[in-house]
Amino acid sequence: QSALTQPPSVSGSPGQSVTISCTGTSSDVGIYNRVSWYQQPPGTAPRLMISEVSNRPSGVPDRFSGSKSGNTASLTISGLQAEDEAHYYCSSYSSSSTVLFGGGTKLTVL
Amino acid sequence: QVQLVQSESELKQPGASVKVSCRASGYTFTSYTMNWIRQAPGQGLEWMGWISSNAGSPTYAQGFTGRIVFSLDTSASTAYLQISSLKADDTAVYYCARSTVRPPDYWGQGTLVTVSS
Repeated sequence: QSALTQPPSVSGSPGQSVTISCTGTSSDVGIYNRVSWYQQPPGTAPRLMISEVSNRPSGVPDRFSGSKSGNTASLTISGLQAEDEAHYYCSSYSSSSTVLFGGGTKLTVL
Repeated sequence: QVQLVQSESELKQPGASVKVSCRASGYTFTSYTMNWIRQAPGQGLEWMGWISSNAGSPTYAQGFTGRIVFSLDTSASTAYLQISSLKADDTAVYYCARSTVRPPDYWGQGTLVTVSS
């Protein structure tokens, strides 16, 4: 059982928007803005898509956005494209001076 | 540009040890912490811990103590993960990834360690 809770799967059609949630606690997501999101296509290393809740690194399309409310962070992908199909993981710093990962969400583009 | 280059895949017998390397370039090695993350076949990401590249002090996650050692060679900008007394369920891809006191940003390409007789 992962420390951060994500839905196992989400899906959407090209052009639609999808949101992936990441629920933690008041010891991690709830008190730190150190929440990141990663994209991992099959057979590749994770790629940072969002850092510090909502910051997009250079090169990440602006279709990807992040937010947080209370103990839950969210990743929204708008204007879905076939190339977005991958696993997505959230991660947060925690008050025990460790890093937590979510269990991952498989995004299927229909 | 920031690069983390890991050593090649390893095939080991049960009971043996393995040492995975992660060579960093494109940034000041001692200004960042190095994380180690495990991904078993078909599974998610598990944070194993990190080591301060400045002080060399490691932090191991729960469930990753006892057979695992993080180390550094700061002169070579290289971090190491050593796992001893390997078991079949240590079979996984192991990633290094740099960070400050937060989730990682840049990741290595991963090293597959297969434990099989």
